[in-house]
Amino acid sequence: NAGVTQTPKFQVLKTGQSMTLQCAQDMNHNSMYWYRQDPGMGLRLIYYSASEGTTDKGEVPNGYNVSRLNKREFSLRLESAAPSQTSVYFCASKEFPEGGPSYEQYFGPGTRLTVT
Amino acid sequence: AQSVTQLDSQVPVFEEAPVELRCNYSSSVSVYLFWYVQYPNQGLQLLLKYLSGSTLVKGINGFEAEFNKSQTSFHLRKPSVHISDTAEYFCAVSLEYGNKLVFGAGTILRVKS
Repeated sequence: NAGVTQTPKFQVLKTGQSMTLQCAQDMNHNSMYWYRQDPGMGLRLIYYSASEGTTDKGEVPNGYNVSRLNKREFSLRLESAAPSQTSVYFCASKEFPEGGPSYEQYFGPGTRLTVT
Repeated sequence: AQSVTQLDSQVPVFEEAPVELRCNYSSSVSVYLFWYVQYPNQGLQLLLKYLSGSTLVKGINGFEAEFNKSQTSFHLRKPSVHISDTAEYFCAVSLEYGNKLVFGAGTILRVKS
């Protein structure tokens, strides 16, 4: 049981390049999330997917797109990277069991992205 | 909209001393409150949560937090810290069963020997 996995761990891009960050979870969770972490700002929600087939914007969606490929996988795409997108990106997942809501989000190890 | 303020960006403390990490939130409705910990180069891990009921919440690794509705605070405490508690701690608030977490800026706890 690997939990939440993210690839790649590190990436350097030039301004204007595109890339996709991959996230997968093996806990059969319904909800998945993408956050960015910047010094002194905590984590901010970029996009989330409450269930397979749905996605919604978070606090800072501009410059990003997401795809909920299936229940396990939730990818984040930067179409034209900018230096302001230099950050550490975290994926998280959460279940919603039949017995009632669950509250804990489980986080992956993060992807450190630098845009030059 | 909710917001979370962590009042200290860094807290240095000696090993075996007590520590309190402060968190205030703003919301006009009932919220769910969380503390997460991030060890160096790792993702976040849930320490504890307040959903309802008793205002004193116990979590993992000997941490506890007290919910104070009148002061809109949710401070994290530990009576005796260890070197291994060195990490960054995040307070977070949610209106929706843990969805759409709003995080504070984080407090770095540095435990010195």
